[in-house]
This record gives sequence, C-alpha cells and structure tokens, in this order.
Amino acid sequence: AQSVTQLGSHVSVSEGALVLLRCNYSSSVPPYLFWYVQYPNQGLQLLLKYTSAATLVKGINGFEAEFKKSETSFHLTKPSAHMSDAAEYFCAVSKETSGSRLTFGEGTQLTVNP
Amino acid sequence: KAGVTQTPRYLIKTRGQQVTLSCSPISGHRSVSWYQQTPGQGLQFLFEYFSETQRNKGNFPGRFSGRQFSNSRSEMNVSTLELGDSALYLCASSSGTPDTQYFGPGTRLTVL
Repeated sequence: AQSVTQLGSHVSVSEGALVLLRCNYSSSVPPYLFWYVQYPNQGLQLLLKYTSAATLVKGINGFEAEFKKSETSFHLTKPSAHMSDAAEYFCAVSKETSGSRLTFGEGTQLTVNP
Repeated sequence: KAGVTQTPRYLIKTRGQQVTLSCSPISGHRSVSWYQQTPGQGLQFLFEYFSETQRNKGNFPGRFSGRQFSNSRSEMNVSTLELGDSALYLCASSSGTPDTQYFGPGTRLTVL
C-alpha cells in the first residue's frame, strides 16, 4: 500500500526566508506525486505535480519540488516566503493502477511571520 | 473553464437524518472523486466515479454512497447521519488516469 508522511505538522518561517516542507512516500511502483495548498474555508489548489518527466518540478507562486527516488522524498521549497503563503500544505501520491485515487499526507500548517 | 462546483456549501443536519451533496465537475472531465476531511483523520478517499461507474472505493461504511450521471455530475449520499460524519466533503474532477485532480470548495456538513 502506498502512503505519504509529512514531517512537521507546523512550520513557522519569517517573511523572506526559505520555505521547506518535507514529504516522504512509500510506494511499490513509481508514483505520481502532488503538492496541494488549502487556504481557510477553501478547497485544495494544485501547486505542482511529478509524473516522471523531470525530477525538479516547478509550480505556481514560486514553489518547486524535487523528486529523489533514492530518498523516497518529494520536498517542497520556496526561496522567499510571503505572508500570502500562510496556509496548509498537503503532499499526495497516486498510482496509475489506482485510478484517480489520491493518498494524502497529514498536512503541514505554514505560518509566515512578519 | 469554470471550476468544480459543489452545492450546498454548508449544511446542518441532526443525527439519524440523511443528506445528499452535489458536485459538478469541470466541463469535459469524466472522473469525479469524493474525499472527507476531518481534523482527526485528515483527508480520506471515499470513492471515485468514471463514466457513471464506481471505479474505486475507500474504506467507509455502506451509509456512504454515490452516483454519477450521464453529464458527469455526481452526488454523494450519507444515510443515518452520525456525529462523526461532521466534516468537509471535497469533490475533485479529472479527465482521466492518472491526470491531475481539481478540487471544488467543499461542502461543510455539521451533524448535531
């Protein structure tokens, strides 16, 4: 069975600082990996996705993530945090054989301090 | 293109009642998935419909059911509501496997 682990349920950074949100996955076959963001009282918005085309994936709002098979990781980074980045972030995995079923991590709440 | 829409946005029900939630996918998308989000359990997959057929099912009791219509719109039904069913129910649509899922704003269900 596939699973996702997000290290750190809460991350706090200063405005302008590096954002690093960690995600590790376990999957018996090469997975498809996603990062979603959720703002209060809203649904999930896709930040970026990995589907084996390139290991470094660039997403919206300046976010990017690197797929590292040897470490089974897909960490999300952004060089400089903005106040508007404060939200909850979810890492998710799916396999082609599981249809469109996503398995989510527990989520990481990002706080950006002025 | 219009995004995924869900109605209603908020619902308050009492234990024992039943509820139906509706989801309209992005035009052209044939897959609709449903997820339950709670503070304790996080985001959990309920089921997926593709071309009016249930293609995937999560680990939820039979009180949770769904269907998909020929226009790809989907409904989710929960019968005999329990307090623990209080959650944000999210619908997502995609054009196929394993394409990206696009989420709606959710329906906030409160069971009293």
